[in-house]
Amino acid sequence: NAGVTQTPKFQVLKTGQSMTLQCAQDMNHEYMSWYRQDPGMGLRLIHYSVGAGITDQGEVPNGYNVSRSTTEDFPLRLLSAAPSQTSVYFCASRPGQGLKGANVLTFGAGSRLTVL
Amino acid sequence: AQSVAQPEDQVNVAEGNPLTVKCTYSVSGNPYLFWYVQYPNRGLQFLLKYITGDNLVKGSYGFEAEFNKSQTSFHLKKPSALVSDSALYFCAVRDRDLDQAGTALIFGKGTTLSVSS
Repeated sequence: NAGVTQTPKFQVLKTGQSMTLQCAQDMNHEYMSWYRQDPGMGLRLIHYSVGAGITDQGEVPNGYNVSRSTTEDFPLRLLSAAPSQTSVYFCASRPGQGLKGANVLTFGAGSRLTVL
Repeated sequence: AQSVAQPEDQVNVAEGNPLTVKCTYSVSGNPYLFWYVQYPNRGLQFLLKYITGDNLVKGSYGFEAEFNKSQTSFHLKKPSALVSDSALYFCAVRDRDLDQAGTALIFGKGTTLSVSS
């Protein structure tokens, strides 16, 4: 049982480049989300999904796209990277509402992105 | 709007002494409250939660937290600190009335706990 797996762990991009951060979970969790962590700002929600085919915006969605074609995978796409997107990105998942453990997020190890 | 405040950027305690990491929250309805811990270069790990019932909740690694509705606080405590408790601690809140689907967990900015030997 691997939990939440994020790749890559580290990435350096140039301004304007695009890339995809991958997130996969093997716990059959309905809910998945992406957060970014910046010093002194805690974690801020970028996008989330309550099930395959359903996504919605969080607090800071601009510059990011997501899709949820399967229950297991929730990739985060940066279409045209900017230095302001330099951050540590965390993917998190939890069971659907009403299920055991529905209120507790399981986090991946993080992906550190630097945009030059 | 939901919000969480962790008024201390850093808390320093000596090993063996009690520790408190403070958290206050603001929600329109009733809160679900959480504490998570982050060790260096790792993801966040769940410590404990308050959903309903007893105001004193116990969690992993000997930590506990007390829900105080009148003061809108949810301070994290431990009777005797260990050096291995040194980490970054996050308080988080969800408004269980306005956010019944549980889509938005709001995190505080985090408090660095440093336990010296």
